[in-house]
Amino acid sequence: EAQVTQNPRYLITVTGKKLTVTCSQNMNHEYMSWYRQDPGLGLRQIYYSMNVEVTDKGDVPEGYKVSRKEKRNFPLILESPSPNQTSLYFCASSPQGLAGASYEQYFGPGTRLTVT
Amino acid sequence: QQPVQSPQAVILREGEDAVINCSSSKALYSVHWYRQKHGEAPVFLMILLKGGEQKGHEKISASFNEKKQQSSLYLTASQLSYSGTYFCGTGRDNYGQNFVFGPGTRLSVLP
Repeated sequence: EAQVTQNPRYLITVTGKKLTVTCSQNMNHEYMSWYRQDPGLGLRQIYYSMNVEVTDKGDVPEGYKVSRKEKRNFPLILESPSPNQTSLYFCASSPQGLAGASYEQYFGPGTRLTVT
Repeated sequence: QQPVQSPQAVILREGEDAVINCSSSKALYSVHWYRQKHGEAPVFLMILLKGGEQKGHEKISASFNEKKQQSSLYLTASQLSYSGTYFCGTGRDNYGQNFVFGPGTRLSVLP
């Protein structure tokens, strides 16, 4: 089944404790992206990747890191989480490379993160 | 800058129609529409491209006015399953990788 998977689905952690949220897609998509969703603010892009080893900042990259060493995986790293990073996080992938935004994004199930 | 959506919320009875609008102060290179049900991931509905090309579900209709930088999503004869939050989104440039969504429109369809 074609899908985007994220792990963990739920995570409660403490301020400053490094964590990684994994994202994997099995559709051979070139493009992957991370979003955070907060009430009233919609989905805001954190980072995106157009291909392996090619990543760039979205609108809210502060406090996050990403890496794209393999085409299928795009982990999100919070090296020192803070309470303002409490949010619902979605990973997405799309067939597009540099062809423009003419392809749909497929979203993972989401990771609900709470930082205390 | 984030696209603007209107209305923020709408309540319908089954069978009624609704229009959700999306506008931007900057050029829209394409417009995407997604629906998100409570507790679930957003699901693709439609993409509207410059020149009139559209990709998406047959039962969904939408328009894209490039000059006015506006798009509208038309939900006709609404069903209970249409309930959810609708987001429009667009790329910040013609490549589209830096993507921005609107704040969403919450649609509730009542029996």
